Amino acid sequence: EVQLVQSGAEVKKPGESLKISCEGSGYTFSTYWIGWVRQKPGKGLEWMGSTYPGDFDTRYSPSFEGQVTISAEKSINMAYLQWSSLKASDTAMYYCARRESGNYPFDHWGEGTLVTVSS
Amino acid sequence: QSVLTQPPSASGTPGQRVTISCSGSSSNIGSNYVYWYQHLPGTAPKLLIYRNNQRPSGVPDRFSGSESGTSASLAISGLRSEDEADYYCSAWHDSLSGPVFGGGTKLTVL
Repeated sequence: EVQLVQSGAEVKKPGESLKISCEGSGYTFSTYWIGWVRQKPGKGLEWMGSTYPGDFDTRYSPSFEGQVTISAEKSINMAYLQWSSLKASDTAMYYCARRESGNYPFDHWGEGTLVTVSS
Repeated sequence: QSVLTQPPSASGTPGQRVTISCSGSSSNIGSNYVYWYQHLPGTAPKLLIYRNNQRPSGVPDRFSGSESGTSASLAISGLRSEDEADYYCSAWHDSLSGPVFGGGTKLTVL
């Protein structure tokens, strides 16, 4: 069974750094893209970027380029989303999700990590 | 503002058939497959339909998808109370080189 297990909720202050994680299991981790999707309170889903653990190819949505860093460690089936300096506007639920190579959306999702940024 | 356009809400009574629309452009729905997700807040979004009209194993045949040109639809027949959720459409967007989503449709079972 394909599973994506995300790290727990975080409460941070503006300006702090943060790295959240997503562990994949039940499939060959290095052969699927892992993406991150943001959902702000009461809003829809926004694709942030994706990484391919097999060769570390990483693509970002223009809206998030330079704002976050997406990475993966294929040896331990982990993907990461990190911020160097959080803003209050980063408060949201963040989902990791898997997709196959090619022009296809996601097929399996994690349950989300709630990030709250408040002074 | 989401790239794909969905109605914000839909409703029906148990047993009814409801349809949720998703409108895009030649850069997304018009040239790529449409996926549909069911999402209950606080849980992982669940894939309902992939490649326009295919159901993953375990998804009841009450759920069906269709696509025509730059639009797509999700139909739910024999509506049940447990179908009450948010529904999102998604498609690959060529110039973005990534997936785009609709704004979501909140389905209420009256």
